[in-house]
Amino acid sequence: EVELVESGGGLVQPGGSLRLSCTASGFTSNSYAMNWVRQAPGKGLEWVSTISGTGFNTYLEDSVKGRFTISRDNSKNTVYLEMNDLRVQDTAVYYCARKGYSPLGAFDIWGQGTMVTVSS
Amino acid sequence: EVVLTQSPGTLSLSPGERATLSCRANQRLTSGYLAWYQQKPGQAPRLLIYGASRRATGIPDRFSGSGSGTDFTLIISSIEPEDFAVYYCQHYNNPPPWTFGQGTKVEIK
Repeated sequence: EVELVESGGGLVQPGGSLRLSCTASGFTSNSYAMNWVRQAPGKGLEWVSTISGTGFNTYLEDSVKGRFTISRDNSKNTVYLEMNDLRVQDTAVYYCARKGYSPLGAFDIWGQGTMVTVSS
Repeated sequence: EVVLTQSPGTLSLSPGERATLSCRANQRLTSGYLAWYQQKPGQAPRLLIYGASRRATGIPDRFSGSGSGTDFTLIISSIEPEDFAVYYCQHYNNPPPWTFGQGTKVEIK
């Protein structure tokens, strides 16, 4: 079964750090670009970051540049989101999502999400 | 940056009715890199449509997508009880950022 499982969320104080993990199973993850999408409580979806299959190309949403880093370890089928200098407005459910292999492929597989709460 | 505006914000329908959801971009989207997702409370989003008009695996044929340029539409031909949810459009033309619309809630009338 194709599956993504996120972990690493929790409660952290403003200015703190967390590392989220997304472990893939049922497919060879290094063939796919992987993404992080977040959703603040009661709000819509917000794209956060993307990493190419090789890990060579990475992209970050403007509000997290300089604070978040995306990386991957294809030997472990895992993608990471290192989050530093966390702010209250970073509070959200963070989803990992796979981008489909074909050129027109969209976010076809999603994890169940991990909650990040930034609060004093 | 591409900004997607969805309308209406809320759509109130009875089962069996037709749902028409709109997604408008502030600039032309080349090659139709437009997707639609469904999200139910407490669940992750689910891909419905990609490439503006292609149904994802396992999606019933009552869901259809169309459009090009700046105007895109998701139609649910005859809405079922399980279709009441929030729907998001997303553009994903390279390179990122890949923005989402603000969502349309389809609720039971």
